[in-house]
Amino acid sequence: EDQVTQSPEALRLQEGESSSLNCSYTVSGLRGLFWYRQDPGKGPEFLFTLYSAGEEKEKERLKATLTKKESFLHITAPKPEDSATYLCAVQAGYQKVTFGTGTKLQVIP
Amino acid sequence: EPEVTQTPSHQVTQMGQEVILRCVPISNHLYFYWYRQILGQKVEFLVSFYNNEISEKSEIFDDQFSVERPDGSNFTLKIRSTKLEDSAMYFCASSNTGEDQPQHFGDGTRLSIL
Repeated sequence: EDQVTQSPEALRLQEGESSSLNCSYTVSGLRGLFWYRQDPGKGPEFLFTLYSAGEEKEKERLKATLTKKESFLHITAPKPEDSATYLCAVQAGYQKVTFGTGTKLQVIP
Repeated sequence: EPEVTQTPSHQVTQMGQEVILRCVPISNHLYFYWYRQILGQKVEFLVSFYNNEISEKSEIFDDQFSVERPDGSNFTLKIRSTKLEDSAMYFCASSNTGEDQPQHFGDGTRLSIL
């Protein structure tokens, strides 16, 4: 069974304090790893797709990386508007996507 | 930017009643999905739908649930004989293709069973 574990569960940063979120996964035959952002009361908002180990994607203050067993979401100089829950998800089979429980990020001004 | 829209945003129903949750996927997408998120828990896959039939479903998606694309734009999830444990956020998603491509989510319907 596909498994996705995210750490930490919650993270509190000062504005400008860079950090990384971790996503460890166990799947048979990864087809894609996805990062989403979820604001309270909203649906997951797509950020990145990573397909193979060594791949990196960047968007503004966010950078996602992938190894054979985990992915990191690096947040550089975060701002309060980056506060959200960040979800990692994997697709191994046909279409089903398996989500982790997320990291709740709070950025303090 | 095109988006997935869901209605209603909040549905309150008595236990044992039937509910229909509605979704309008992104117009050029071909694959459609339903997920649920029980309060405080992770997003869970329910079902995927392509070419007017279910292509994959989870163990959660039992005979109580059904999906339909009644016309060219809507995609619905029907829950028969609702139970208290069906209370959750239900998210619709769509993707351009089924494999490897990101799924784009709506903002969900909060279903409350009394």
